[in-house]
Amino acid sequence: QKEVEQDPGPLSVPEGAIVSLNCTYSNSAFQYFMWYRQYSRKGPELLMYTYSSGNKEDGRFTAQVDKSSKYISLFIRDSQPSDSATYLCAMRWLEYGNKLVFGAGTILRVKS
Amino acid sequence: DGGITQSPKYLFRKEGQNVTLSCEQNLNHDAMYWYRQDPGQGLRLIYYSQIVNDFQKGDIAEGYSVSREKKESFPLTVTSAQKNPTAFYLCASRASSNQPQHFGDGTRLSIL
Repeated sequence: QKEVEQDPGPLSVPEGAIVSLNCTYSNSAFQYFMWYRQYSRKGPELLMYTYSSGNKEDGRFTAQVDKSSKYISLFIRDSQPSDSATYLCAMRWLEYGNKLVFGAGTILRVKS
Repeated sequence: DGGITQSPKYLFRKEGQNVTLSCEQNLNHDAMYWYRQDPGQGLRLIYYSQIVNDFQKGDIAEGYSVSREKKESFPLTVTSAQKNPTAFYLCASRASSNQPQHFGDGTRLSIL
């Protein structure tokens, strides 16, 4: 079993739709949770960074963490064609030099 | 502009050859990381360094070497012992223990 499971997609939605991206994890030692967006041939760009269970909102993006269920989500409201990218969830393992453990990434396509 | 610069963008390696990938940051970050990304897989940690003149192996260090002689620089050498080097290599850095990692735009390494 992988430490972090993420549905690879691709997920295809019409412009304006609400998108839900999800990851589950098995290691209780993960303390911080991140979502990165990666365009083709580019490095990952940090979108959201959370520690506590609950919701964190930034513009059209909402990150949700449920530590008891070991489940994190990223919601994108009013999705745009420019949101088309690969979305990577990542979790930080403090005891291992703050190592990040990544999901495989979900490919999102927003159609205009 | 502050950021993480990786060079070259594309690199080709011949059989039996060592190649070095450059990573420079002007963010005054203490910690630096190297990851490898293969299609359909999450990023995997190769090496990391939390301070100058010190570094640790990650999950897939075999066939790679690094140095950290200056705070702003963390070059990665892909040696001839790495039998499957074709991948997208990403460098990241982090300011302090409770800050997220930020990434450069990667180097794509291929075999001639």
